[in-house]
Order: sequence, then C-alpha cells, then structure tokens
Amino acid sequence: KQEVTQIPAALSVPEGENLVLNCSFTDSAIYNLQWFRQDPGKGLTSLLLIQSSQREQTSGRLNASLDKSSGRSTLYIAASQPGDSATYLCAVSSGNTGKLIFGQGTTLQVKP
Amino acid sequence: EPEVTQTPSHQVTQMGQEVILRCVPISNHLYFYWYRQILGQKVEFLVSFYNNEISEKSEIFDDQFSVERPDGSNFTLKIRSTKLEDSAMYFCASTTRTFGEQYFGPGTRLTVT
Repeated sequence: KQEVTQIPAALSVPEGENLVLNCSFTDSAIYNLQWFRQDPGKGLTSLLLIQSSQREQTSGRLNASLDKSSGRSTLYIAASQPGDSATYLCAVSSGNTGKLIFGQGTTLQVKP
Repeated sequence: EPEVTQTPSHQVTQMGQEVILRCVPISNHLYFYWYRQILGQKVEFLVSFYNNEISEKSEIFDDQFSVERPDGSNFTLKIRSTKLEDSAMYFCASTTRTFGEQYFGPGTRLTVT
C-alpha cells in the first residue's frame, strides 16, 4: 500500500531564505507526483506536476525534483517571501485511475 | 482561467440526514474525483469517475456514498445518512486525462451535528 511522508511537518524561516521541503513514498511504481499549496481553510492549488519519466520541473521560484527509484521528491523554494506561508502537500498518482495519495503536508511560515 | 467550483462552501446537517455536495469541473475535463480531509488529517481519496461510471472507490466510499454526473456540467457526491465522522472538508477535482494534473475546487466544509 502506497504511503507518502513529508518532512518536516513544520518549518519557520526568515524572509529571503532558500528552503527545501521533502516528500518520500514507499512504492516507486508511480505515474506522477504533484505538489500543492493549501492556505488555511482553503482548497488545494496545484504548483507543479512531475511525470514519472521526468527528473525535475520548474515554475518561477519553485523547483521540484523526483528520484523515483529512491522514492523521493523535493520542493525547492528560492528567496522565500511571507506570501509563501502555507501548507505544502505532496501527492503521488498510482494505480490505474489517477487517484492521488497525499502526504500530511509541511506547514511553512516565512517571517518578514 | 477555468476553475473547479463547489457548492455550498459550508453545509451543516444533522446526523442521519442526506446531503448532496455539488461540483462543476472544468469544462473540457473528463476525469473526476472526490477527496476528503478530516480536520488535521491527510487528504484522502474517495472515488474516481470516468465515462459516467465509477472507476475506483476507496474503503471509505461505502454504500452510504454515491456519485452522479446528472448533466454535462455537474458532478455530485451524495451521502445518504450522515454520521458524525463524515464531518470533513470535501474536495472535488478534475483533469483532462488519467494521469494529468488534477485541479481542485475550493471545497465544501461538511459539519454533522
């Protein structure tokens, strides 16, 4: 059964710092991995999708990498800003229907 | 930019009552999903839907739950007899292909009293 874990559970950094969020999954037979942002009480905003054949994806200050064989992904946020404060969720797609299996998230606070 | 919408944003119901949560997926999407998130817990998959039928359902999705696409735009989740433990945020998601990027709605917060 696929399990997704995110470390750390919470992170507090000063503005401007570069940071890395980690995601690991137990079954390497995934089709893709998606990173989301969730603000308190709100829905999930898709940040990046990495297909299983890809090693990384970039969008603005965000860079996500995928090492399928070791069951790991990282989300790199460059030059963090207070507006980046949110919970970041990692989810993998496995099985035949595209369902996503989520980690518990990393709650990020960027202090001005 | 097209987005997934959900109504209502918050629903309060009494235990044993039926509720219907509504979603309007992005118009050219073909694959639809419901997920839920109990407060403080992970987002959990409930059901996937394609070509007017359920393609996969989780253990959570028992006989109390049903989904329907009654017309070309709406996608609904019905809970027949709500329990206290059904209290959660329910998210609808859609995508253009099986392993495509999923787009989520803002969620419906269901509170069962």
